[in-house]
Order: sequence, then C-alpha cells, then structure tokens
Amino acid sequence: DAKTTQPPSMDCAEGRAANLPCNHSTISGNEYVYWYRQIHSQGPQYIIHGLKNNETNEMASLIITEDRKSSTLILPHATLRDTAVYYCIVSPNYGGSQGNLIFGKGTKLSVKP
Amino acid sequence: ETGVTQSPTHLIKTRGQQVTLRCSSQSGHNTVSWYQQALGQGPQFIFQYYREEENGRGNFPPRFSGLQFPNYSSELNVNALELDDSALYLCASRPGTGGAYEQYFGPGTRLTVT
Repeated sequence: DAKTTQPPSMDCAEGRAANLPCNHSTISGNEYVYWYRQIHSQGPQYIIHGLKNNETNEMASLIITEDRKSSTLILPHATLRDTAVYYCIVSPNYGGSQGNLIFGKGTKLSVKP
Repeated sequence: ETGVTQSPTHLIKTRGQQVTLRCSSQSGHNTVSWYQQALGQGPQFIFQYYREEENGRGNFPPRFSGLQFPNYSSELNVNALELDDSALYLCASRPGTGGAYEQYFGPGTRLTVT
C-alpha cells in the first residue's frame, strides 16, 4: 500500500502557484520523497525528488518539513498543460526491487483559465 | 518524450487468450519495470528485470511473466486473460540499480479483455 496521503483533487487558476500537499508520516530515514505526474493517457513523468532539504528544478520546487512527515510540491506559475494527476511517492534511494515505485491515487490538479 | 517506446498502443483480446506486450528501454538503461494501471487507479508494480533476470515482483500471479533481452528491451506476457486484466500497461526504464535515478515511463499499452 502507498505510504502517502494526498487530497483527491485541487483547482488552480492559470498563472498562479499550485501548492500540492502530501502527508508521509511513516517515512523511514532512508526514504526519499518523489513526485511524478501523469497527463491524461500518457505515462507518468518524473518531476522532482528530495531527502530532507528543499529542492528546486526547472519544473517545480519541493518543500519538505523538518520532521519529514509532509511535503509540498510547488508549481510556481501553473499553465493549462499542468493539468494532470500528481503522485507523491516515498521510496528508498537505491535500486533493486526496492527501488520501484508504489503509487497511490494521487491528486487530480485542474488548472483553469 | 522519454525515449521509452511500447507496442502495441492498443490491444483487444478475449478472456482466456494470451498476450505479449513489448517495451524498448531508453538508451543506456539496463533496468526495466512493468506496471499495471487500472482505470482511476495509480500504477501497480508487476515486476522488474535487471540484466535479463527478474529481480523483484509485486503481488501478481505467475500467469504474468516477462523477459528481458541482451539489448535490454523487454516483454510482458499474460496467460489466461481475465476481464480484470483490462488496464493500461506501462513500462519504465532506468540506468541501473543504484543511485537517485528517476524512472522513465513509456506511453503504455491499453489492453481490453472482452
């Protein structure tokens, strides 16, 4: 079972920041927080991941609380193309069979004009 | 575009039949995983292949089997198809079994079992 809890859906106005929350209160010390998104009828797309420090890349920012029990994915200027299901996943940062991803149902983000 | 390709795009099969789905991994990626995504659900891990050997499996019965070839492409075989096997089947590749690697997913194969 997924170790994360996300709201089932969220709306965001185009051009505004989208803040997607995720709870992972049972996260282990060796587990990273990964975010993927899935645009309709496509495969999931990697967005960002982090361990305990905040991370930023060209797509998004990831804010992880100090106790690591929750995190927030921030899309700074949402566009209509950001409409997708966003998955928050916790996973060890090594390979083998334990490096695979356990998806929950994610958050359906709808960006509106 | 991730460089991971899957074929066919869509497939319709009858209950009891067998099906083979194919995946070409991104160049340089020697690890391939397969996922099943039912309608309205997140993807569920089926199994993983690393250097032609299965080295991880999710909660799927033995009628789900696979292969990985020397060029790291992969096949997913499903025998004795059931109606509940109707789903989007995704493959994902990554460069090895260590490190902070993200998985690159293909577009999926939509399987419908009637």
